[in-house]
Amino acid sequence: KQEVTQIPAALSVPEGENLVLNCSFTDSAIYNLQWFRQDPGKGLTSLLLIQSSQREQTSGRLNASLDKSSGRSTLYIAASQPGDSATYLCAVRGSARQLTFGSGTQLTVLP
Amino acid sequence: KAGVTQTPRYLIKTRGQQVTLSCSPISGHRSVSWYQQTPGQGLQFLFEYFSETQRNKGNFPGRFSGRQFSNSRSEMNVSTLELGDSALYLCASSYGTAPEVDQPQHFGDGTRLSIL
Repeated sequence: KQEVTQIPAALSVPEGENLVLNCSFTDSAIYNLQWFRQDPGKGLTSLLLIQSSQREQTSGRLNASLDKSSGRSTLYIAASQPGDSATYLCAVRGSARQLTFGSGTQLTVLP
Repeated sequence: KAGVTQTPRYLIKTRGQQVTLSCSPISGHRSVSWYQQTPGQGLQFLFEYFSETQRNKGNFPGRFSGRQFSNSRSEMNVSTLELGDSALYLCASSYGTAPEVDQPQHFGDGTRLSIL
């Protein structure tokens, strides 16, 4: 059974810092890995999707990497802003086709 | 392009009742997936519908069911409600292509279900 772990559970940083969020998964037989953000009381917003054949994806200040063999992914946020404050979730789509989510990292960027 | 719409946004029910939640996907999307989100268990997959057929199912009891209509709109039904069913229920839509060429799922803002 696929398990997804995110570390740390919570992170507080001053504005302008670069930061890294971590995601690990137990079964490397995945189709893809996705990063989402969730604002309080809202649904999820897709940030980046990395197919299993890819090593990384970039969108603006966000960069996500995938090391399928070691079961790890990182989300790098450059020059953090208060508007980046949210819960960040990673999810993997495995052989069962369904998305398995981590429990998230709650990020607070202090002005 | 309108996003994924879930109705109602909030529901309060009592134990033993049943409830139906609705999800309207983004135009052109044929896949609709449902998730339950709770503080204790996080986000858990309920089921996925594609072209009116259930394509995948998570590990939930039979009290949880769903269906999809020809216009891709989907409903989720929970019967004999229990206190533990209190959660945020999220719906997501996508084109439903093969996972090797997956496209991101687009989520609605959810229905907050409270069981008294």
